[in-house]
Amino acid sequence: DSGVTQTPKHLITATGQRVTLRCSPRSGDLSVYWYQQSLDQGLQFLIQYYNGEERAKGNILERFSAQQFPDLHSELNLSSLELGDSALYFCASSVGSTATDTQYFGPGTRLTVL
Amino acid sequence: AQSVTQPDIHITVSEGASLELRCNYSYGATPYLFWYVQSPGQGLQLLLKYFSGDTLVQGIKGFEAEFKRSQSSFNLRKPSVHWSDAAEYFCAVGAFNDYKLSFGAGTTVTVRA
Repeated sequence: DSGVTQTPKHLITATGQRVTLRCSPRSGDLSVYWYQQSLDQGLQFLIQYYNGEERAKGNILERFSAQQFPDLHSELNLSSLELGDSALYFCASSVGSTATDTQYFGPGTRLTVL
Repeated sequence: AQSVTQPDIHITVSEGASLELRCNYSYGATPYLFWYVQSPGQGLQLLLKYFSGDTLVQGIKGFEAEFKRSQSSFNLRKPSVHWSDAAEYFCAVGAFNDYKLSFGAGTTVTVRA
């Protein structure tokens, strides 16, 4: 158990819908990262927040957005869902915001878009 | 931009045999290198990491990896594989002042009795 929690574990929804994925980082960690894992794209970095502020962006679609709240939990919002958005979404957390800070991964949320 | 190549998509190894997973990276400066393992239905767990210093790093679960700058490689090894080592293994690279990790495509390890 990494100490990172993600809810829900599974999510099934229809095209065009909007969903919110939630992540609680390990106690004391200030950084939260979101990754998408799909069969065709592999593990792709989406976005990082550090202490409430956006720190880095990766291959995140405009239909996707995220935020980190004062209690440091984070939410990833996916809207206008398409079939291709079906994937495993991971949240990771670390103490700091540099590459030397170990990222601890949550168990993931499996999103299925029908 | 950094990138990672894991040439082997799938490896099958007998229990008790040695295991080596290959990882090649592309990055202009000194990379930060990681190996993660993902068991079925689980998140990723860090096995080991290399930032600087001794090029042979020890990790958890009996794994080790060797950084070879001349070959741009960071191969993962285990002398004797256990059935519980069956999983998917990911090599990742990070860099100073770059917050994200870039992952390889992963290598699936199957352990046969």
